[in-house]
Amino acid sequence: AQSVTQPDIHITVSEGASLELRCNYSYGATPYLFWYVQSPGQGLQLLLKYFSGDTLVQGIKGFEAEFKRSQSSFNLRKPSVHWSDAAEYFCAVVPNDYKLSFGAGTTVTVRA
Amino acid sequence: DAGVIQSPRHEVTEMGQEVTLRCKPISGHNSLFWYRQTMMRGLELLIYFNNNVPIDDSGMPEDRFSAKMPNASFSTLKIQPSEPRDSAVYFCASSSLKREWFFGPGTRLTVL
Repeated sequence: AQSVTQPDIHITVSEGASLELRCNYSYGATPYLFWYVQSPGQGLQLLLKYFSGDTLVQGIKGFEAEFKRSQSSFNLRKPSVHWSDAAEYFCAVVPNDYKLSFGAGTTVTVRA
Repeated sequence: DAGVIQSPRHEVTEMGQEVTLRCKPISGHNSLFWYRQTMMRGLELLIYFNNNVPIDDSGMPEDRFSAKMPNASFSTLKIQPSEPRDSAVYFCASSSLKREWFFGPGTRLTVL
């Protein structure tokens, strides 16, 4: 079945440390790929997206993601996290139509 | 641009009552989506409109749910009668041909 997998339900990271969130997808062709962030009680904000071209994409708030076709992955990274990065992060794909499908999400906790 | 506007932000109702959620998409966007977010099921696509026409309603849970888009600037999601298991956060999103999905702040529905 076609799916988006975020293997990590919860990640705790120290402020100032690096962060990597994993995302894998299982579709026949390369879908459009997105990362969204949701702060508690808020809506979803687009961090970055990949359609084609350069496989390393830069987003807002200092985030970047790398598309790896061979691994069917689109992992999100940030070199140094801030306390305000504590939130839930969703990987999402649009495989070949206009339906945006989400992974289960990864909750990030930032400790001082 | 004000972004996607949803109302109400919070709704508390009793089982059996009719609930109507409202959404105003971003001007110029031709696609509109209704999503539901719960702890158990994550983010689920309920229905997708393109140019005001329902294209895919396969995610609508049952006949108690209905959605309309009478014009390009307004959509409603109605639940009649409501049940406690309908309690969730309902998000509306819109997108353009640029394939960037913008989400509203959501409506938190509680059915007692």
